[in-house]
Amino acid sequence: ETGVTQSPTHLIKTRGQQVTLRCSSQSGHNTVSWYQQALGQGPQFIFQYYREEENGRGNFPPRFSGLQFPNYSSELNVNALELDDSALYLCASSLWSPKANQPQHFGDGTRLSIL
Amino acid sequence: GEDVEQSLFLSVREGDSSVINCTYTDSSSTYLYWYKQEPGAGLQLLTYIFSNMDMKQDQRLTVLLNKKDKHLSLRIADTQTGDSAIYFCAETQGNNNDMRFGAGTRLTVKP
Repeated sequence: ETGVTQSPTHLIKTRGQQVTLRCSSQSGHNTVSWYQQALGQGPQFIFQYYREEENGRGNFPPRFSGLQFPNYSSELNVNALELDDSALYLCASSLWSPKANQPQHFGDGTRLSIL
Repeated sequence: GEDVEQSLFLSVREGDSSVINCTYTDSSSTYLYWYKQEPGAGLQLLTYIFSNMDMKQDQRLTVLLNKKDKHLSLRIADTQTGDSAIYFCAETQGNNNDMRFGAGTRLTVKP
């Protein structure tokens, strides 16, 4: 069973640039969620994708956007990067159905640094 | 808004039991989780409990849930140096998709 994989592992950008982070879900999972983890804090929910559509969103501005592909992999895009966007970005996948929510399994994250 | 709170630090001696505590405010929480995060890594799911349960045991791990007090605990028996990590408590509501995390408890195990 292949776990959740994320790329790249580290990334350095400057303010105003745009970034794309990628995630491959665990085999058998149909849902991908993205979280932002600032240093010393717990993860904060950005959004979730199910059946290639956004299926819930946290308190993040529209410059945070995403995609899910038919193979359930996903991308997180962030435009107009700000210094406060520096964080570990975690992807999690799960098997979701309208009746029950299975636990989310996390990748090792992408550490994004904004200069 | 809803909050999940944890104490920030816990230090124990190898071989002792560790108890990590968590409180949450939303009474509609239905799933409660414990995740472990080692340096430079993502979150590893340790265990989870449904709100209609009050206890779950899995090898060295015991989860206790007091729904009335909205209190969750994780007990690690015979704590080892490899258990040193940050432990996160998290909750979801019903079939909602956003998981709310505490700030994490840093467990240090001294030899």
